[in-house]
Amino acid sequence: KNQVEQSPQSLIILEGKNCTLQCNYTVSPFSNLRWYKQDTGRGPVSLTIMTFSENTKSNGRYTATLDADTKQSSLHITASQLSDSASYICVVSAFTGNQFYFGTGTSLTVIP
Amino acid sequence: GAVVSQHPSWVICKSGTSVKIECRSLDFQATTMFWYRQFPKQSLMLMATSNEGSKATYEQGVEKDKFLINHASLTLSTLTVTSAHPEDSSFYICSALPLGGKITQYFGPGTRLLVL
Repeated sequence: KNQVEQSPQSLIILEGKNCTLQCNYTVSPFSNLRWYKQDTGRGPVSLTIMTFSENTKSNGRYTATLDADTKQSSLHITASQLSDSASYICVVSAFTGNQFYFGTGTSLTVIP
Repeated sequence: GAVVSQHPSWVICKSGTSVKIECRSLDFQATTMFWYRQFPKQSLMLMATSNEGSKATYEQGVEKDKFLINHASLTLSTLTVTSAHPEDSSFYICSALPLGGKITQYFGPGTRLLVL
């Protein structure tokens, strides 16, 4: 069964600190994995996308890693800012029939 | 690039009325668009897959006669909530799948619907 699991479900960190969000998946055949940031009341915005052959991808203070062997991905946020408070969603796509599998998201709260 | 817009961004209507939401891909063509629904503090729930020039494919439990989807062109899909009721109040998000390229989708900013 194709599934995407994210952890932790929620996280509270102090401004300036780093954090890492996890995404484990069982989707096959794997096409790519995207991390999205969704602010409250807004649509998801893409942060990174990685295909099978890519191990890491950075976008400013966001760095995503992918281990296709263990089917795990992580999103590392460096020097967090208050504006990083949002829900982070991991979405894995399969080659067959434009299928997308969503994680339940991690709610991040950055406090001053 | 890869911008998706939705209109309106929010709408308040009386129970029993119909509401149409537009989803447009502004700088690319999309044969496939998706419609999602999201309740507070929950993940996106896929409602239907909209394919240009053909009937939409609805997820289990989604009433096709209540949520009418039209995908008349490669850049526009519409979702009409017919005879809306308070329980239809939600955040509706569309996404578009560009022709060719990586299998990925770009999301619209969402439409907040409140049915009184």
